[in-house]
Amino acid sequence: AQTVTQSQPEMSVQEAETVTLSCTYDTSESDYYLFWYKQPPSRQMILVIRQEAYKQQNATENRFSVNFQKAAKSFSLKISDSQLGDAAMYFCAYRRNNAGNMLTFGGGTRLMVKP
Amino acid sequence: EAGVTQSPTHLIKTRGQQVTLRCSPISGHTSVYWYQQALGLGLQFLLWYDEGEERNRGNFPPRFSGRQFPNYSSELNVNALELEDSALYLCASSQTGRGTGELFFGEGSRLTVL
Repeated sequence: AQTVTQSQPEMSVQEAETVTLSCTYDTSESDYYLFWYKQPPSRQMILVIRQEAYKQQNATENRFSVNFQKAAKSFSLKISDSQLGDAAMYFCAYRRNNAGNMLTFGGGTRLMVKP
Repeated sequence: EAGVTQSPTHLIKTRGQQVTLRCSPISGHTSVYWYQQALGLGLQFLLWYDEGEERNRGNFPPRFSGRQFPNYSSELNVNALELEDSALYLCASSQTGRGTGELFFGEGSRLTVL
């Protein structure tokens, strides 16, 4: 079974600074997808960024980028120029191929942004 | 376009009771996923429905069940409620059982079991 581990229960960053959230996963598959989801205090989860395992290039979405290390099974999220609105729970998630869109989530990291 | 809607938003039950949670997916989405988010824990996969069929279920006892209707809306039923069932129950939808993995979530139903 696949597992996803987020080793940082809480992180704090100063506004306008950069923060990196860590995620490791365990799988025997070679073809899969990885995601970061954000859950603001209003509770509705939204997709931040996704990475296909077959792509070597790291995904980027504006201020959000990932460092995908397939051999190390590591998938970290970097948030640049942090904003107050980035404060939320962040969940790393894994989806193996041919499993619909059924995701396995990590335990989450609470990000606090200090003004 | 309306997002994923869930009802009720909050409810309180006592041990041994039964509860039904409802979810309406985004129009055009045929897959519905249910997750349990207990306090301090991540999201635990409960059930996946696609085209009216149960495609997979997580490691939960049989008292957790559900169904998907012809209009793709879904219900999650929990029988014989236990204290540890207190959690936020999240429903998500996607266009089909395939795709790139983006799930669209509702705001959840907060269940408290006393």
